[in-house]
Amino acid sequence: DAKTTQPPSMDCAEGRAANLPCNHSTISGNEYVYWYRQIHSQGPQYIIHGLKNNETNEMASLIITEDRKSSTLILPHATLRDTAVYYCIAWDYGQNFVFGPGTRLSVLP
Amino acid sequence: GAVVSQHPSWVICKSGTSVKIECRSLDFQATTMFWYRQFPKQSLMLMATSNEGSKATYEQGVEKDKFLINHASLTLSTLTVTSAHPEDSSFYICSATGQGGTGYTFGSGTRLTVV
Repeated sequence: DAKTTQPPSMDCAEGRAANLPCNHSTISGNEYVYWYRQIHSQGPQYIIHGLKNNETNEMASLIITEDRKSSTLILPHATLRDTAVYYCIAWDYGQNFVFGPGTRLSVLP
Repeated sequence: GAVVSQHPSWVICKSGTSVKIECRSLDFQATTMFWYRQFPKQSLMLMATSNEGSKATYEQGVEKDKFLINHASLTLSTLTVTSAHPEDSSFYICSATGQGGTGYTFGSGTRLTVV
């Protein structure tokens, strides 16, 4: 499984965009980039995933570099309820989801 | 979207007793289910993987006789913590994936406290 690295913590002002980086320099061609978040004492919540192209849904946007060695999750207008630990995972069908320590995002009023 | 229901959400039990946690996929058939454990301020650690109708595969260091996993149907997996001790107190989370490989859907977790 590809290993991902993320900054341990980030702050973001409420209403501003939160940009969470993830490095996955050893990702293989078949592995998707998945993002989940975990709000305190809850199970992880799916946010978005992508393979090569940038993706957008109602929660976030995912920007994947052309060489696929890194990606950025963008929450366009962060709210206090977006405070959580965000996990970036490289995954292919048949693999196990391996969680790293993630990024603890604090959205500040 | 896919929904995984996990019960109970919290449980307190006496040391030496057993506790069963249920994980159900509500709107899809879960060919594979996974059980994770999470200690405070740590990330999720995979305990075991189970496929419907077959024995679970446990990660290194996880006692299979202590953490009994049953995946009797395509919508239900159970984790039984046998002879629980205070060090088993943790947040247990299940997840499931269906056919077609669309990632994992997670339950809401069960906080187990052994006193």
